Amino acid sequence: DAGVIQSPRHEVTEMGQEVTLRCKPISGHNSLFWYRQTMMRGLELLIYFNNNVPIDDSGMPEDRFSAKMPNASFSTLKIQPSEPRDSAVYFCASSSQGLLNTEAFFGQGTRLTVV
Amino acid sequence: ILNVEQSPQSLHVQEGDSTNFTCSFPSSNFYALHWYRWETAKSPEALFVMTLNGDEKKKGRISATLNTKEGYSYLYIKGSQPEDSATYLCAANTGFQKLVFGTGTRLLVSP
Repeated sequence: DAGVIQSPRHEVTEMGQEVTLRCKPISGHNSLFWYRQTMMRGLELLIYFNNNVPIDDSGMPEDRFSAKMPNASFSTLKIQPSEPRDSAVYFCASSSQGLLNTEAFFGQGTRLTVV
Repeated sequence: ILNVEQSPQSLHVQEGDSTNFTCSFPSSNFYALHWYRWETAKSPEALFVMTLNGDEKKKGRISATLNTKEGYSYLYIKGSQPEDSATYLCAANTGFQKLVFGTGTRLLVSP
């Protein structure tokens, strides 16, 4: 398996534009997580899905952020409209059977810059 | 709110030194403790997942212990090498498949 695949790797956009980040989890994994990494707050959990269903989105900063998982092999994180303070590295991770005995596998991340 | 604390924030050692880091977490509602190694420009990779009080795990020169009653875990690196330079993250799972990460310990090993 190629691991968790994220696209794009880098995104530069202007304030106010819509940004869509994409993630393909490892085949067979039933949990998917979106994290945001910033210097100030480290890795923050934004939202996670179990069997394609959003379970906890309490980490989503505000209504400008939304996430979907239409099927087991694809998820998106959308920011609309984007703001400079959204600039960060966004990681997607997946795991099988939850995180009680197995680790999370991370993608390479998407570095987002909003100017 | 679950707070996962790591110390020290950063550490600079010489090749061959042994070192250890601390991760502390609330001991209530504990399910699992994860350790990850994160190299610059890469993604975090799991080192250990521990669930039981008294657990000890080892991978090469790296080992970890877990005390769930008092809410801490130690990560040890024996005979540090320059390739061990990375940020080491711990994360606690308090149920519902939700991992909360600490801010990490940044290790630099000089030759």
